[in-house]
Amino acid sequence: KAGVTQTPRYLIKTRGQQVTLSCSPISGHRSVSWYQQTPGQGLQFLFEYFSETQRNKGNFPGRFSGRQFSNSRSEMNVSTLELGDSALYLCASSLDRGNEQFFGPGTRLTVL
Amino acid sequence: DQQVKQNSPSLSVQEGRISILNCDYTNSMFDYFLWYKKYPAEGPTFLISISSIKDKNEDGRFTVFLNKSAKHLSLHIVPSQPGDSAVYFCAASEGGTSYGKLTFGQGTILTVHP
Repeated sequence: KAGVTQTPRYLIKTRGQQVTLSCSPISGHRSVSWYQQTPGQGLQFLFEYFSETQRNKGNFPGRFSGRQFSNSRSEMNVSTLELGDSALYLCASSLDRGNEQFFGPGTRLTVL
Repeated sequence: DQQVKQNSPSLSVQEGRISILNCDYTNSMFDYFLWYKKYPAEGPTFLISISSIKDKNEDGRFTVFLNKSAKHLSLHIVPSQPGDSAVYFCAASEGGTSYGKLTFGQGTILTVHP
């Protein structure tokens, strides 16, 4: 079974721009969660989608948004990028709440 | 407010010996716990998990112990191998409406020396 894939793997943007990251979950997994990893804050939960609906959201500003498509693929968008948004963005999929989450390799975003 | 804490930033062990990684939590609503291993430039890899109704779970060289009264869990790796060298994260999830959210500790860097 193919694992979780994320594209692109690396991205460089400048302040004020917006960015869209993509995640394809493991086949059959309908829950997709997004996390931000930074050296200072560690791994922090952004939001979770299941059957195209956002069921949970972490403590991030409204500039961070996401969506999920009918095939369970998910995208997250960050608008008006700030220097502090530089991070590794990780996507994880699972069958449903309470089950193990399987992570993709991440997208490394650098904001200049 | 850090609800999941890994108080040891690093651990160094000799190949063949036991590695014990510790994790403490404060949220009594957590009902499922997981351990992940992470190499640089890769996503976390799931290792082992345990439900709050159990106190031990084994999978090969990996065993996780849960002490609910102390709000403490540990991961034992026996025997340790150089390939186990990585960052280990403890994570926890709640029941209820906390869909898809794992709360992670800060990680422990494990180094296994040949």
